[in-house]
Amino acid sequence: EPEVTQTPSHQVTQMGQEVILRCVPISNHLYFYWYRQILGQKVEFLVSFYNNEISEKSEIFDDQFSVERPDGSNFTLKIRSTKLEDSAMYFCASRAHLILNTEAFFGQGTRLTVV
Amino acid sequence: GIQVEQSPPDLILQEGANSTLRCNFSDSVNNLQWFHQNPWGQLINLFYIPSGTKQNGRLSATTVATERYSLLYISSSQTTDSGVYFCAYNTDKLIFGTGTRLQVFP
Repeated sequence: EPEVTQTPSHQVTQMGQEVILRCVPISNHLYFYWYRQILGQKVEFLVSFYNNEISEKSEIFDDQFSVERPDGSNFTLKIRSTKLEDSAMYFCASRAHLILNTEAFFGQGTRLTVV
Repeated sequence: GIQVEQSPPDLILQEGANSTLRCNFSDSVNNLQWFHQNPWGQLINLFYIPSGTKQNGRLSATTVATERYSLLYISSSQTTDSGVYFCAYNTDKLIFGTGTRLQVFP
């Protein structure tokens, strides 16, 4: 069964360092997302991406964040200078169609710890 | 923006018991999904359900779009059902509810 895969599963980084979280969406999907979940809280939308550009971003997604689809398969989230409050679980998601509000599928998450 | 509220926030059950989790929306439901977040943090798709009722084993879900709510039923609960259950309003993005934390004890 097709699935969204994320790497790494865990990452520990020092404050101020850059991190790149990687995702491989389901191959025939066109819409890609990043979400964040701070420990014990709900899952929050960060950004949506379609046709090689950002469709929508939340207030959380400030200038420290960027997304990229560098090739036909990977979708990355970069945090330029990590802060302690960036510690969270980051989820990538993809879906086939937007207008039809099709089912979204999530990766297993990357747990980011900033020390 | 659309608000998604879930109840109860916490639920403690003994193995074998049944439960009902509720999700309320501030706007009419176009489409929604239910997820189970397991103890390892993974979000597992349970249901994609714009309206009506769907069943998958011991779990079933009902969405009443016009009344702006959805229910998730868990029958004969098992310890492996423990975790957090999220509903999410499905539009151009998913808007998640606050979650229900379920603990099932043997």
